[in-house]
Amino acid sequence: EVQLVESGGGLVQPGGSLRLSCAASGFTFSSHWMSWVRQAPGKGLEWVATIKQDGSEKYYVDSVKGRFTISRDNAKNSLSLQMSNLRAEDTAVYYCARAPGVGATMALGFDYWGQGTLVTLSS
Amino acid sequence: QTVVTQEPSFSVSPGGTVTLTCGLGSGSVSTSYYPSWYRQTPGQAPRTLIYTTNTRFSGVPDRFSGSILGNKAALTITGAQADDESDYYCVLYMSSGIGVFGGGTKLTVL
Repeated sequence: EVQLVESGGGLVQPGGSLRLSCAASGFTFSSHWMSWVRQAPGKGLEWVATIKQDGSEKYYVDSVKGRFTISRDNAKNSLSLQMSNLRAEDTAVYYCARAPGVGATMALGFDYWGQGTLVTLSS
Repeated sequence: QTVVTQEPSFSVSPGGTVTLTCGLGSGSVSTSYYPSWYRQTPGQAPRTLIYTTNTRFSGVPDRFSGSILGNKAALTITGAQADDESDYYCVLYMSSGIGVFGGGTKLTVL
């Protein structure tokens, strides 16, 4: 059974940093693109960042470029999102999601999702 | 900034058919955008329905189907049921390497 379990969310001050993690199991982690998607309270979904199977390609939404870094450890079946210089508008539930297709050349959406971890910005 | 458009809300009668659409603020949607569709109920994580235009995710009933209709991606639900009430989101893949979500459609079954 595919499982994605996020952790690391919490309350942080504007300008601060936080590292989110996603533990993956039930599939060959190194064969899939992986992504982070977020949802601000009462708002829609936003694709934040995505990373290729071997970590050689990474893409970000413009609003987080230079502040967020996506990474993965295929030996540990783990995905991470390092967030720095956090802003009030980064308050959201952050979801870890897997892209469909073993060995895909692009992250063509998502198939499995985690339950999310909440990041709250507050001074 | 690419804008992906969805109907803010839609209603369908039980047993009826509804087609939700996903468009671009400028331009036409084609299979090259690899449209995908997700549903989400309050407090829950999104669930996948369709990816790469018309591939149904494992376990999704064949009442749900994806296609390109005219210049938009479309999600058609046939035989609507009460538990189809949900927010529905589409994503279009962009050449930048990351996709853009539409604003979502709140579907009511009544």
